[in-house]
Amino acid sequence: GAGVSQSPSNKVTEKGKDVELRCDPISGHTALYWYRQSLGQGLEFLIYFQGNSAPDKSGLPSDRFSAERTGGSVSTLTIQRTQQEDSAVYLCASSLRLDQGANYGYTFGSGTRLTVV
Amino acid sequence: SQKIEQNSEALNIQEGKTATLTCNYTNYSPAYLQWYRQDPGRGPVFLLLIRENEKEKRKERLKVTFDTTLKQSLFHITASQPADSATYLCAPNSGGYQKVTFGTGTKLQVIP
Repeated sequence: GAGVSQSPSNKVTEKGKDVELRCDPISGHTALYWYRQSLGQGLEFLIYFQGNSAPDKSGLPSDRFSAERTGGSVSTLTIQRTQQEDSAVYLCASSLRLDQGANYGYTFGSGTRLTVV
Repeated sequence: SQKIEQNSEALNIQEGKTATLTCNYTNYSPAYLQWYRQDPGRGPVFLLLIRENEKEKRKERLKVTFDTTLKQSLFHITASQPADSATYLCAPNSGGYQKVTFGTGTKLQVIP
């Protein structure tokens, strides 16, 4: 597609429920990243995928968070047993490759605003 | 630990003036530094990248400097316009395959 697409744009969920957030990167981009942005805070790295390599999960805050990328394209971030502190905007970005992103910038989606009540 | 500092207070300037935003970093030596613009409810948009061996880079009304001795980057917008109002994020990066770390951003308000 023309840009990085994320869905849903807004999600309100009850505490304890599971949620799935979807990211559709730019076609042909092999590197995909998830970030989290809390109100008034900077972007917090969560996970990245590069092609068929093992993902870098070092930023996932707890084992309630997981992500997968199917067929090297669409990615899903899953949060199990959501807590109020999970409320944030979840941003997805992609780049041609990891080094291309580092050298030429990342393309971000508009994010999913998650509210846990 | 690595730390990125941007002015947390909003910067208000008059239309037509030059806006200067500061990004300071500590405890690492990035090979590259990226600047992004973020509007409310949107994801960041890449603006410029400067490498450690480049002292200055320009793009239209934008100018970025990178001082590896001071561990600082300055981001300038000349002839500022109300449409430049947004939050600007810096992202120093070690290069290669490192994931990018972002500062918290500085909110710029250009007053007509």
